[in-house]
Amino acid sequence: QKEVEQNSGPLSVPEGAIASLNCTYSDRGSQSFFWYRQYSGKSPELIMSIYSNGDKEDGRFTAQLNKASQYVSLLIRDSQPSDSATYLCAVNWNTGNQFYFGTGTSLTVIP
Amino acid sequence: DAGVIQSPRHEVTEMGQEVTLRCKPISGHNSLFWYRQTMMRGLELLIYFNNNVPIDDSGMPEDRFSAKMPNASFSTLKIQPSEPRDSAVYFCASTLGGKPDTQYFGPGTRLTVL
Repeated sequence: QKEVEQNSGPLSVPEGAIASLNCTYSDRGSQSFFWYRQYSGKSPELIMSIYSNGDKEDGRFTAQLNKASQYVSLLIRDSQPSDSATYLCAVNWNTGNQFYFGTGTSLTVIP
Repeated sequence: DAGVIQSPRHEVTEMGQEVTLRCKPISGHNSLFWYRQTMMRGLELLIYFNNNVPIDDSGMPEDRFSAKMPNASFSTLKIQPSEPRDSAVYFCASTLGGKPDTQYFGPGTRLTVL
């Protein structure tokens, strides 16, 4: 049973465009959601967290959460080549400290 | 703080050998996680500790894998005997309990079993 699902991509967008990354999850009650960025050969790094329905903006990044539809998304505005990476969606269910990760979406921003 | 420290960074071994991976969490963090990452399966949680106590080891693939955390600043993941299918990048991460947005990953250990 898949807990967290993402399209593996690859997703390609031109520089300056909006990149949209999506994630769906199984219903396990109250949850916390995170987006991690992972450059090739590096470790994941946290870029956004979201806990309640709606949008959360941080610079060029916007996380969107819809618990009724069980999805969380990440929008990257004004995409830059340096945004090229794999983006991992993670869920932390309040039953413990565990994080469950999707398999990631590979994003390439074309100059 | 130096962040999460892992050693070795790379390990190449032959099938059947014992492998020990090491992790030092961020000082003050009381939860520690071991993950395995492969192209096919992505990032999988193997085991996590809270205050040095193993809480959930349901992700440990089989009895060949074991993990310990003898104190707040050190943990090991051991594979004995190793098999080629164990080849992966193993990450250690730590968080401050109850604050999941404080999770930080170590640089990982790339394990190759021949």
